Parts: sequence; C-alpha cells; structure tokens
Amino acid sequence: NAGVTQTPKFQVLKTGQSMTLQCAQDMNHNSMYWYRQDPGMGLRLIYYSASEGTTDKGEVPNGYNVSRLNKREFSLRLESAAPSQTSVYFCASRLTSLHFGNGTRLTVT
Amino acid sequence: GDSVTQMEGPVTLSEEAFLTINCTYTATGYPSLFWYVQYPGEGLQLLLKATKADDKGSNKGFEATYRKETTSFHLEKGSVQVSDSAVYFCALTSGAGSYQLTFGKGTKLSVIP
Repeated sequence: NAGVTQTPKFQVLKTGQSMTLQCAQDMNHNSMYWYRQDPGMGLRLIYYSASEGTTDKGEVPNGYNVSRLNKREFSLRLESAAPSQTSVYFCASRLTSLHFGNGTRLTVT
Repeated sequence: GDSVTQMEGPVTLSEEAFLTINCTYTATGYPSLFWYVQYPGEGLQLLLKATKADDKGSNKGFEATYRKETTSFHLEKGSVQVSDSAVYFCALTSGAGSYQLTFGKGTKLSVIP
C-alpha cells in the first residue's frame, strides 16, 4: 500500500524554467492538497481539490497551477520558476485526516 | 480567519523527561483538532486527533485533550524517548464540510540520551 507518492524527490531549476510536480494516491480519497513548507512558516496551502473535477486556491496560489487529472492524480505546475518558490512541496490526500507524501525538495537558482 | 499558535522551539529534553507542547487556536464553528509529526526527510504523519470538546486523543504514549473553554490542545507525553525527536505540528479544520486544514508553525523536539 503506497499511500501518497510524489515525484520527483529533488529538483533544481533555473529562474524562468517550468516543471510539473506529480502526485498520486491509491486510497480512493476524494480530496487532495498541495502544501509548501518553509523554515519558520509551517505548512501553507497552495491549492486543493475537494473532488475530481474541482480545484480551489489556498493561501499562497500565485505562481502555481494545478490539474486534477483523475481521482488518483493531482499535479502542481510552476510555469516560470522564481527563487521565492524554493521550498519543500508536499502533496496530501484526505478522508478524515491528511495523508502526506514524502515531499519534493525544489531549489530555484 | 482560523489560526493555530504553537510554542516556539526548539525544545530539548533528556530521555524519560515529561513533554508538553502548547497549542492554542482561533476558529469559527466547531473545529476538529490534530497533532501531526514529521520525522527528518519525511512527510507529516497523523499522531492523534480530537473532534469535539473534552475528547482526548492518544497514540504512542502521546495525549492531547480538546479544551473548548481555553481553546487549547496541548500535546503531552510522560516519558520521551530519543526516537520521539521530530517536528510536531498542531492543526485544525473548521467543522464538517471544511476542506482546508490550518497548521501551526511546528515545534522541533530533540531528545538526548
């Protein structure tokens, strides 16, 4: 039982480059989430998807887009990466409580 | 809006010491409260939860009681171990139908032998 799987685990981008972070869950959860974690800031919600076919902005959506491809998959896209987007990104799914992936550590230079 | 305030760390304790990490909250409605733990290099894992006032969540020797009158959900453990070294996050969700969780900033615990 894999739970929530994120790829890649590490990524380095140059300013202006684009990339997509992938997330898949095998728990048949309706809700999925993208958070970023920065030192001293805790976790901040970027986007979430309450169910397949819907997405909503969280606390810090600027610079990001998301796609809920199907019930299992929820991807996060950075169209033009900026150094301020250097962070650890966590995907999560939820039934009654959140289940997290192991994160993607992104560095933008 | 909703908010969670945790005691700032880092907290360093000797093995077998008593642990308290304070958490207070502000929320509309009747929130559910959670403690998550994050070990180095990993994602967060649910440690315990409580869904209504006076409920006590417990797991792995950790406990927290939902206190509506003081809007608190303090985490306690009677005797910590080195393996408890991690970052602990308090979180809430505002009632049924809410899809968003609000997290505190986390408290780093280091337990030394």
